[in-house]
Amino acid sequence: DTAVSQTPKYLVTQMGNDKSIKCEQNLGHDTMYWYKQDSKKFLKIMFSYNNKELIINETVPNRFSPKSPDKAHLNLHINSLELGDSAVYFCASSQEGGHTDTQYFGPGTRLTVL
Amino acid sequence: AQSVTQPDIHITVSEGASLELRCNYSYGATPYLFWYVQSPGQGLQLLLKYFSGDTLVQGIKGFEAEFKRSQSSFNLRKPSVHWSDAAEYFCAVGARGLSGGYNKLIFGAGTRLAVHP
Repeated sequence: DTAVSQTPKYLVTQMGNDKSIKCEQNLGHDTMYWYKQDSKKFLKIMFSYNNKELIINETVPNRFSPKSPDKAHLNLHINSLELGDSAVYFCASSQEGGHTDTQYFGPGTRLTVL
Repeated sequence: AQSVTQPDIHITVSEGASLELRCNYSYGATPYLFWYVQSPGQGLQLLLKYFSGDTLVQGIKGFEAEFKRSQSSFNLRKPSVHWSDAAEYFCAVGARGLSGGYNKLIFGAGTRLAVHP
């Protein structure tokens, strides 16, 4: 069984479009995250939700809007896509979101903006 | 400021040789340290983690890492590398988010490991 899943795996779109990436975890965790991995493989956190409440927002443009309908899901909606948004986006989850929690990552969504 | 440095961008070793990947961190409080591996086209898999206690931690796939507070280091080692170990390796420190109280991972830039047969 897949612990953290993301859809789609690949997403190719034009500049200016709006797109969404979905994430689901079946681990029963309370906290979910979105990370962005750029072309140089550098990983940086974008958002974190705990029990559907936004906890971390790391100076991400307003065009990015996470939505958590329930504890098991954290979706990422991106408006007015730009070339610089091309990256791999990883979803992750952890039990409670504490310092020592292990984060479990999904397989990633490769977004290409043309 | 919190940061993680992996000095080696790319390392090549021969199969069967030993491996050490370097990681240095900067964090004001007690660090919680992690090593993740990313195989090509895959997500990140946790290799091992250090929270407290024994400074030598064992992980999956025969990896181990040693926490050295005096050197602010958490280097990853493996005594004998297999061809399947070729991947990208990321060191990370767990830190509180801007809102306080919750975890975020600060990653190093990664080290790409190539294994020669």
